[in-house]
Amino acid sequence: KAGVTQTPRYLIKTRGQQVTLSCSPISGHRSVSWYQQTPGQGLQFLFEYFSETQRNKGNFPGRFSGRQFSNSRSEMNVSTLELGDSALYLCASSSGLAGGAPDTQYFGPGTRLTVL
Amino acid sequence: AQSVSQHNHHVILSEAASLELGCNYSYGGTVNLFWYVQYPGQHLQLLLKYFSGDPLVKGIKGFEAEFIKSKFSFNLRKPSVQWSDTAEYFCAVIMLTGTASKLTFGTGTRLQVTL
Repeated sequence: KAGVTQTPRYLIKTRGQQVTLSCSPISGHRSVSWYQQTPGQGLQFLFEYFSETQRNKGNFPGRFSGRQFSNSRSEMNVSTLELGDSALYLCASSSGLAGGAPDTQYFGPGTRLTVL
Repeated sequence: AQSVSQHNHHVILSEAASLELGCNYSYGGTVNLFWYVQYPGQHLQLLLKYFSGDPLVKGIKGFEAEFIKSKFSFNLRKPSVQWSDTAEYFCAVIMLTGTASKLTFGTGTRLQVTL
């Protein structure tokens, strides 16, 4: 099975712009989660989507949003970029169990976003 | 607030030395526990996980971890490290609530194995 894929792998943007990142989960997986990784804050949960619905959300401002399509692919959008948004954005997929029961998450390689 | 602590930020060992990395969490309810590894230039990979049952779990590449509920700990061990184990190791916890899919990560431990 192919793993989780993320595109693009690298992005450079300037402050005030917006950006969209894409994630394709492992085939058959229905849950996609997004994480931000920075040297200072480590790995922080952004949100999780399951069956096109946001099922869980972390403590990030509304500038961070996402969506999931019927084929389970997910996109994450950051509007009005700030310098502090520079980070590695990781996508993880899991099979997605009923009722939100815990499941193992498998991670993609990430998209490295640099905001100038 | 619910949190995960990894007290060792940077560990340097010689090849063949034994390894133990600490992980503690603060949550009084049921948890599911994971260790992930990030090799240089590679993505996060699952080393091992604990959901229930035997608190001593074995993972890939000779790693094991023990869940001690009374100590809120899930320490990672390996009897003899290799140079190829050089990587960053992350402990992660799902604290079972109504929104159980969120992984809370520790800050990571950078392991450097010298020849």
